[in-house]
Amino acid sequence: EIVMTQSPDTLPVSPGEGATLSCRASQSISNNLAWYQQRPGQAPRLLIYGASTRATGIPARFSGSGSGTEFTLTISSLQSEDFAVYYCQQYYKWPPGRMFGQGTKVEIK
Amino acid sequence: EEQLSESGGGLVQPGGSLRLSCAGSGFTFRSHVMSWVRQAPGKGLEWVSVISGGGANTHSADFVKGRFTISRDNSNNTLYLQMNRLGVEDTAIYYCVRDSAISLMTAAVTRFDLWGQGTLVTVS
Repeated sequence: EIVMTQSPDTLPVSPGEGATLSCRASQSISNNLAWYQQRPGQAPRLLIYGASTRATGIPARFSGSGSGTEFTLTISSLQSEDFAVYYCQQYYKWPPGRMFGQGTKVEIK
Repeated sequence: EEQLSESGGGLVQPGGSLRLSCAGSGFTFRSHVMSWVRQAPGKGLEWVSVISGGGANTHSADFVKGRFTISRDNSNNTLYLQMNRLGVEDTAIYYCVRDSAISLMTAAVTRFDLWGQGTLVTVS
């Protein structure tokens, strides 16, 4: 079973600053990785797929990188609406087991 | 506008049953693989079950253990989750999610590109 581990669990950031979130897979998943954003009280929404492709309507300040086992989500300049929980998800191996990471909460510093 | 709208959540006693529904609109529902994903209070996301576009093939997480059944009615653009023998550990918001994959036969997860607002199931 592939295990997805995100770090850190919580990331304090000042508005306007950048943020870097990490996601590690316990074995190679190629680039079969997605990132989701979940704002308080809302459903998650797809940000990034294929490790680096922004989903429709996602601002350019969000970028994804990585392949194999190490992945990064970068937010270049945090806006107020970006303070949220971010999840990574692998879709390489079937059955997927626990496909989501545990999440990283980006909070106001 | 593409939308998913869940219903059917509520309070149920341990050992009870509940059927969730999800109505899709604004897209070709029958073409897409669909899943249920849940989130326990204050916890992360957990995939539950997937169904192929045509409805013939399904897969579920191990913790479902034959208790939950995913199905769909493409004539009414509706996805279902029949949940039996519910336990307190099943308390969660249940999200209906659309997979980006278009397949009548394959029931496998890729990325989830459309989410419903969720319906809360409380087992107590």
